[in-house]
Amino acid sequence: QPVLTQPPSSSASPGESARLTCTLPSDINVGSYNIYWYQQKPGSPPRYLLYYYSDSDKGQGSGVPSRFSGSKDASANTGILLISGLQSEDEADYYCMIWPSILFGGGTKLTVL
Amino acid sequence: QVQLVQSGAEVKKPGASVKVSCKVSGYTLTELSMHWVRQAPGKGLEWMGGFDPEDGETIYAQKFQGRVTMTEDTSTDTAYMELSSLRSEDTAVYYCATDPGISPPRFDPWGQGTLVTVSS
Repeated sequence: QPVLTQPPSSSASPGESARLTCTLPSDINVGSYNIYWYQQKPGSPPRYLLYYYSDSDKGQGSGVPSRFSGSKDASANTGILLISGLQSEDEADYYCMIWPSILFGGGTKLTVL
Repeated sequence: QVQLVQSGAEVKKPGASVKVSCKVSGYTLTELSMHWVRQAPGKGLEWMGGFDPEDGETIYAQKFQGRVTMTEDTSTDTAYMELSSLRSEDTAVYYCATDPGISPPRFDPWGQGTLVTVSS
């Protein structure tokens, strides 16, 4: 059972926004960690998208569109991946991760309706 | 630009060992920190271990300690992951993924994956 909790599935329509969440257990403070996000399409390895620590400390992977952005909800101890202007090509599995105690979430399958 | 090319699919019997390779190009292995992540069919990602440049040692996830060995051949820029005492639950795609040494650390890029099937 993954330590980081992600909803198994999410869906949205093209052009809309998708908000994917990654909830950390109560003994791991989201405010103390970079939250990483990876995208994986069927039959392909994961692709690094971005990391988010704070609004002043974040980074985008090479070639990753600015439509992908990260944030945190400290009150919910949760990392968030926001995908705006959804496109059909965004349909994929999305995984969150923290470092240095390297842990992955269970992944969210995003369907673009 | 770093590229990682892994060895081909393997079929092993329970109790056997498997050794997967990951060839680096574009950089030398000494410039990178290599990690291994696996993914069982239809399941999520599971970190197995990797090189910690701060300690200069390879660290293994507790689940795999005693059963996994990660090594490197710097003369050929090839990393290896050997998993022993295989069981059916080890059937998975095994990925190498590198931390390029840019702060903060991250897994970028990944190898194409190697399917290891454990079956009698």
